[in-house]
Amino acid sequence: AQSVSQHNHHVILSEAASLELGCNYSYGGTVNLFWYVQYPGQHLQLLLKYFSGDPLVKGIKGFEAEFIKSKFSFNLRKPSVQWSDTAEYFCAVNAEASKIIFGSGTRLSIRP
Amino acid sequence: DTAVSQTPKYLVTQMGNDKSIKCEQNLGHDTMYWYKQDSKKFLKIMFSYNNKELIINETVPNRFSPKSPDKAHLNLHINSLELGDSAVYFCASSQDSTSGEETQYFGPGTRLLVL
Repeated sequence: AQSVSQHNHHVILSEAASLELGCNYSYGGTVNLFWYVQYPGQHLQLLLKYFSGDPLVKGIKGFEAEFIKSKFSFNLRKPSVQWSDTAEYFCAVNAEASKIIFGSGTRLSIRP
Repeated sequence: DTAVSQTPKYLVTQMGNDKSIKCEQNLGHDTMYWYKQDSKKFLKIMFSYNNKELIINETVPNRFSPKSPDKAHLNLHINSLELGDSAVYFCASSQDSTSGEETQYFGPGTRLLVL
């Protein structure tokens, strides 16, 4: 069965620190990969997605993610975080049409 | 304009009651979804409809019944509510479900509390 693992449950950083959130998935075939963000009290929004091509994907708000097929990973990065990045981040995998599997989420807290 | 809207935003009710949550999307999408987010923020798909037809039904108790009167609406009816149904329920939609590449657009969520 497909699964998505986000090993960091809660990450606390100071402003301007660099961020990397881990995401690993288990599926042997072709996958589509997503990162969604949920700001406090708001709905989920797409940050970025990968379907094919360049494994380094740029998203909104300065986020990027790198798909490493050999490691089954799709880690999210940002070189310098801001207080407004405080949110819950979800990695997701779509390996079957119309069915997205979400990871358990990583809560990011930024100290001003 | 709100792309995916849900009503109500908050729902507090007693155990054993029956309640409905409505979802509407004005994006012209073919596929709609219901997700349940528990207290630990874990997000799990419940149902998916494509052009009013059920295409995904995860292991959800049959107390939960989705209804799609047209492809812009997917309502969720819950019978005999239980304490464990307390969660945030998100509706979502996407243009097409067959490719797997489509971004899903989420509604604001309905926070259900069963007392």
